[in-house]
Amino acid sequence: DAKTTQPNSMESNEEEPVHLPCNHSTISGTDYIHWYRQLPSQGPEYVIHGLTSNVNNRMASLAIAEDRKSSTLILHRATLRDAAVYYCILWGRGSTLGRLYFGRGTQLTVWP
Amino acid sequence: DTEVTQTPKHLVMGMTNKKSLKCEQHMGHRAMYWYKQKAKKPPELMFVYSYEKLSINESVPSRFSPECPNSSLLNLHLHALQPEDSALYLCASSQDPGTRNNEQFFGPGTRLTVL
Repeated sequence: DAKTTQPNSMESNEEEPVHLPCNHSTISGTDYIHWYRQLPSQGPEYVIHGLTSNVNNRMASLAIAEDRKSSTLILHRATLRDAAVYYCILWGRGSTLGRLYFGRGTQLTVWP
Repeated sequence: DTEVTQTPKHLVMGMTNKKSLKCEQHMGHRAMYWYKQKAKKPPELMFVYSYEKLSINESVPSRFSPECPNSSLLNLHLHALQPEDSALYLCASSQDPGTRNNEQFFGPGTRLTVL
């Protein structure tokens, strides 16, 4: 499975935007980019996914570089509840039947 | 109902015990998964069930035995575990196992301690 690289940790103040980067230079044309997050003492939860175009939903926005070698998860106004580990995952041709391979993720700390 | 439930929340067992973890979803999803998560590490896939049949076993030791009695239920039977098997066991489900376009819904996990 294609590898993703994320910073180990990031910090933000409450109500400020947060941009979480992910590099995936070996991405193939059929790989979807998925983001999950895991709040303390909870199971992971789906955040957003995309293929080529930027995507928005009620939780976040996903900006995908034109060459698809990187992407950025954008939280428009961070809240304390957004403090979590954020995982960027590629799901593609080698990942059929639901194989989600989680990398180490980015620990996001939100300060009041 | 968009929830995956897992029971028990916590389990402590000895190395000679036999116990089972249970997972349930009522979203009509046809794929169900078991993951293992050690402290401060990402989740690792263990098993995938697709349409109630085991489709992926990620080389998991036989002391872990999955079972999918019906499309809503997933069990993980545990026998002769080792202390290093202590971890958070997560269950997940998704609508279609073969589609890269759908999300997985995770339960809260069972925190297992093996003494």
